[in-house]
Order: sequence, then C-alpha cells, then structure tokens
Amino acid sequence: DSGVTQTPKHLITATGQRVTLRCSPRSGDLSVYWYQQSLDQGLQFLIQYYNGEERAKGNILERFSAQQFPDLHSELNLSSLELGDSALYFCASTRRGLADYNEQFFGPGTRLTVL
Amino acid sequence: AQSVSQHNHHVILSEAASLELGCNYSYGGTVNLFWYVQYPGQHLQLLLKYFSGDPLVKGIKGFEAEFIKSKFSFNLRKPSVQWSDTAEYFCAVAYSGAGSYQLTFGKGTKLSVIP
Repeated sequence: DSGVTQTPKHLITATGQRVTLRCSPRSGDLSVYWYQQSLDQGLQFLIQYYNGEERAKGNILERFSAQQFPDLHSELNLSSLELGDSALYFCASTRRGLADYNEQFFGPGTRLTVL
Repeated sequence: AQSVSQHNHHVILSEAASLELGCNYSYGGTVNLFWYVQYPGQHLQLLLKYFSGDPLVKGIKGFEAEFIKSKFSFNLRKPSVQWSDTAEYFCAVAYSGAGSYQLTFGKGTKLSVIP
C-alpha cells in the first residue's frame, strides 16, 4: 500500500459522457501527478499540481482538466468521452514539486472503460 | 522531447535464469532514473532509482541497475529470477523543468518467469 488512494476503482460509461476521477495523496505530500496508461501509448504524464496550483502539463487533451483542492486531494475530469479514452488512470504523489525531486508514490489506479 | 526506449516488449525466462532489461533515454542533461515494477493487478512500485554517485544501484528484491552515461542507458539486472518476479517493468526518467519532475516512461517490458 503506497498511501495514495484513488476512487473509483472501475468506471464504465458511454461515449460523450463526463466522469470525475479522484485521488488522495499520501499524508503530507503536496504534489500530485496524473498519468494515463493505455495499451498503445503506454504510461503518459498528463498533468501535475503542487499545493493547489497547476505546475506542468503533459499530453493532456483539452477535454480533460484537473484541479487540486485545499485539502490536497485532486480530481481529474474527463469530458466528451471517446472510445480511445479507455485506459488506466494513475495518480502519484510526492512531498515536493520544486527544486528537489522525491520518489513518486503511485495509487492503485482507476480503470475507465468507455463503451 | 525526452523519450525512453525499452528494447524488449516481452521476455520469457525460466526460474534461476539471469535477467537483463534494456533501457535507453534521449535527454542529454541531468536526469534521475528509475525502474518501476507493476505486478499483475497492482500499482506501480519503485524498484530502484539513480540520482547521482555510484552508477551501480541496488534496489529491492535483488535487482540492480547500471547507469552508463556515455550510452544513455540504465539497464536492469537480476542474477537469478523467481516466479514471483513475473510482472511488467518500466524504466522512467525525470528531469527538472520549471519546477516539475514528471516522469517519462518507457513502454514497459513484460517478464514471464516459468517455474
């Protein structure tokens, strides 16, 4: 158990719908990263938040957005879903996001299936 | 853009065989290097990491990796694999950019160990 929690574990929805994935970082971790794991693209970095502020963006579609709340949990919002959005979505947390790298601890992931 | 290449998609070994998984990265600057493991149905776990110092890094469960800067490589090794090492292995690179330390992952190598 990494200490990072993600809900829900599985999500099945239809094309065109909107879903929200939730991540709670380890206690004391300020930085949250979101990753997408799909069969064809592998593991790709989507976005990072540090202490409530967006810090970096990776290969995140405009249909996707995220935020980090004052209690440091984060949500990833996926809208206008397409079949190709079916993937495993991981979040990871680390204590710092600035000037000092720490190991990222990964959550168990949310498996999204778009039908 | 940074990229990480893992040479083998699927490796099949018998128990007690030696393992070497290749990893090359493209970034020419200062990097932090990682190997993560994902056991079936589980989240990513850190096997080992290299930040600086001795280029031969020892990790958990008998794994080690060697950083060869001139070859941009960070190959993972284990002298004698066990059935319980069956998993998917990901090489990852982190670089600092504007205060972000997102990981760039390779596509992964699936290891199957036959008893």
